[in-house]
Amino acid sequence: GENVEQHPSTLSVQEGDSAVIKCTYSDSASNYFPWYKQELGKGPQLIIDIRSNVGEKKDQRIAVTLNKTAKHFSLHITETQPEDSAVYFCARRNYGGSQGNLIFGKGTKLSVKP
Amino acid sequence: EAGVVQSPRYKIIEKKQPVAFWCNPISGHNTLYWYRQNLGQGPELLIRYENEEAVDDSQLPKDRFSAERLKGVDSTLKIQPAELGDSAVYLCASSPGGTANSPLHFGNGTRLTVT
Repeated sequence: GENVEQHPSTLSVQEGDSAVIKCTYSDSASNYFPWYKQELGKGPQLIIDIRSNVGEKKDQRIAVTLNKTAKHFSLHITETQPEDSAVYFCARRNYGGSQGNLIFGKGTKLSVKP
Repeated sequence: EAGVVQSPRYKIIEKKQPVAFWCNPISGHNTLYWYRQNLGQGPELLIRYENEEAVDDSQLPKDRFSAERLKGVDSTLKIQPAELGDSAVYLCASSPGGTANSPLHFGNGTRLTVT
């Protein structure tokens, strides 16, 4: 249906380690998958996105992978830094129907320990 | 470029009182969204505008919530009367529109507390 399942809900890593957050969905019409970072007291900020015709996208320490067959996508952060600590949300958007509306996961609180 | 601007940042009201939130989107962005974010949850869409037209308000509780976007720029979201369960962060976002995958840019939200 509509939901996006996001795991884990909390993640604690040591500075320099990698962090991986996974999301699954069921609507095969989804074709756009952004990731947002939300710091305390601020609105979500887009950090990376991927479209359904691409399997992987990378931007410096951040990468996103998409498996459309299995209907899951993941955020990978390498060489984590304390400033990466925040809540991360995955989202999906349908192409058609409610075109233009993002459906968000429940978020992952990432803590990077120095 | 200036980001999405929302005001006020915080609002505390008693239940049954009215409240209004204001949003100024990024200049040139035709699409405007209002989202509600409950504590520990992801944002949930309330209403989406394409220019001045509300094209999706299916999740807006119309008995107490209303919204308008005059002249297709600024937007106001109103709750009357407010209930305890309305306590949340109300986020406004805008996007250039034109394609189905235009990125959304969020404001910092208005945190509403209903007592």
